[in-house]
Amino acid sequence: GNSVTQMEGPVTLSEEAFLTINCTYTATGYPSLFWYVQYPGEGLQLLLKATKADDKGSNKGFEATYRKETTSFHLEKGSVQVSDSAVYFCAFLGGNTPLVFGKGTRLSVIA
Amino acid sequence: GAGVSQSPRYKVTKRGQDVALRCDPISGHVSLYWYRQALGQGPEFLTYFNYEAQQDKSGLPNDRFSAERPEGSISTLTIQRTEQRDSAMYRCASSLLAGGRETQYFGPGTRLLVL
Repeated sequence: GNSVTQMEGPVTLSEEAFLTINCTYTATGYPSLFWYVQYPGEGLQLLLKATKADDKGSNKGFEATYRKETTSFHLEKGSVQVSDSAVYFCAFLGGNTPLVFGKGTRLSVIA
Repeated sequence: GAGVSQSPRYKVTKRGQDVALRCDPISGHVSLYWYRQALGQGPEFLTYFNYEAQQDKSGLPNDRFSAERPEGSISTLTIQRTEQRDSAMYRCASSLLAGGRETQYFGPGTRLLVL
């Protein structure tokens, strides 16, 4: 069935370190792919998205590329900041499915 | 409004009581979605509406859960005879257009605790 598998956390990094959070999906067809972020005490916010193969979504220094051949949408950032500490959710949306989320990955960035 | 709003933000109730959770979507958004998120998990779909019509309620866990959106704007998710296992964060989202690929924008959520 439809599912998203993302890297288990928590992930703890030092400021300015490189970040990768892996995400793979199982879906029929060609879904749209999303990363949502939840900062402490706040709701879910859309971070970035990609709607077709090889598209790259980017926002706030974060990037993710839609890889159809590996059914992946890994999130990367070259230099994390303390303010990036949050829970990150990978999700996909197919033509006939609701948003399907991964379990979330908690990121803590220490100064 | 500027964003999706939900009320109450927190709700503590006793087992067996009914609760009503409200969602006010972004003005003009056609579609409205309800999700439930358990601790340490991602949100899981409950139901959604296009305008006032409920399109899919396959995610509602049982018949104690119901939702409505009578005028195509504000929606209410009602849980009757609450049980402790209903404790979770309930999230609402809206999208500008109907259709399976529209970006969904989320509200802050309602945290429900059933004692």
